[in-house]
Amino acid sequence: DVKVTQSSRYLVKRTGEKVFLECVQDMDHENMFWYRQDPGLGLRLIYFSYDVKMKEKGDIPEGYSVSREKKERFSLILESASTNQTSMYLCASSLWGVTGSPLHFGNGTRLTVT
Amino acid sequence: KQEVTQIPAALSVPEGENLVLNCSFTDSAIYNLQWFRQDPGKGLTSLLLIQSSQREQTSGRLNASLDKSSGRSTLYIAASQPGDSATYLCAFLISNFGNEKLTFGTGTRLTIIP
Repeated sequence: DVKVTQSSRYLVKRTGEKVFLECVQDMDHENMFWYRQDPGLGLRLIYFSYDVKMKEKGDIPEGYSVSREKKERFSLILESASTNQTSMYLCASSLWGVTGSPLHFGNGTRLTVT
Repeated sequence: KQEVTQIPAALSVPEGENLVLNCSFTDSAIYNLQWFRQDPGKGLTSLLLIQSSQREQTSGRLNASLDKSSGRSTLYIAASQPGDSATYLCAFLISNFGNEKLTFGTGTRLTIIP
């Protein structure tokens, strides 16, 4: 089975801190994604990557950046955390050519910014 | 802007009943549609994926259908069990100039009453 592992289940950070959310997948998937999930808003795509060192902006990239130095690892970075970035963050991966490939999600990181 | 609607937002059903969850979307030029399950505080688990050329997919007690012309998909759950209690989300995939993007609904929270 595909396993997508997010390094932290819960995080509490202060406003202005730089925050790193890590995600690792073990199935050699090309595609990796970062979403945030908020009540009433559903899942919104922040950034995605189709290959190592490649990144594309999603729908809400402002205030975030990403890094993909290795195929299995995709990191989400909050340059200067703000309270409106309090959310559930979900990482996902899939095989290249999402057309026919299910998305596999990690268990999420619930981030609170105080 | 593509939109995905899931109605109702919440549903309670006695154990053993068959039920249908609905998903409607505005863009008929989809590549596939996926149904996911999300347990509280967890990530999403892929249940079924229907390609645009298909009309339905089945897995155990689950059957998903796709009608592109009407912009609708349904998830049928037979002989419901308490373990089916979860939030169910649909998401459709479009490809715009080679950029593939999943758009999610906000989900239906299902409670099976023992």
